[in-house]
Amino acid sequence: DVKVTQSSRYLVKRTGEKVFLECVQDMDHENMFWYRQDPGLGLRLIYFSYDVKMKEKGDIPEGYSVSREKKERFSLILESASTNQTSMYLCASSLQGNQPQHFGDGTRLSIL
Amino acid sequence: LAKTTQPISMDSYEGQEVNITCSHNNIATNDYITWYQQFPSQGPRFIIQGYKTKVTNEVASLFIPADRKSSTLSLPRVSLSDTAVYYCLVGAPYGNNRLAFGKGNQVVVIP
Repeated sequence: DVKVTQSSRYLVKRTGEKVFLECVQDMDHENMFWYRQDPGLGLRLIYFSYDVKMKEKGDIPEGYSVSREKKERFSLILESASTNQTSMYLCASSLQGNQPQHFGDGTRLSIL
Repeated sequence: LAKTTQPISMDSYEGQEVNITCSHNNIATNDYITWYQQFPSQGPRFIIQGYKTKVTNEVASLFIPADRKSSTLSLPRVSLSDTAVYYCLVGAPYGNNRLAFGKGNQVVVIP
């Protein structure tokens, strides 16, 4: 079974802090994704990566950056956290191409 | 983005078959149709994927007409634990035809 592990289930940070959300997958998947989910808005793609050190912007990349130094790990970085980044963050991975995505359980991030 | 349209919500009684429809008028030749299920406070979970006609697995069936502009997810004999949001997606993982989750269809199973 594919396992996608997010480092924290709940996280509370302060405005202006630099925040790191970590995601690790154990199935040698090529693609990795970061989404945020807000009530009434569904899942929105922030960034994705299709290979080590390769990344592309999704629909809402502003205020975020990502890092993929190793194939199994994809990090989401909030350079200077703001209250409007309070959300549920979901990481996913997929083998390649049109293969289904496998999701972690999410990190509920609160920015105070 | 590859766009899909689903009903916002629907109710069903326990034990009934539930059919959830999705429209994807602009589906591209190479696109697959993928359905996910999401429970509160969890990430979405893959249910089924298909390209044309009918696909069946242990939890659901997926019906796709010849023109592929819509699809129907069928859940046989639902139970209370099938209460969830269901998402239909088409498109590629990235690029101009990138798939988008949208808001999904909230299915509530009533005792």
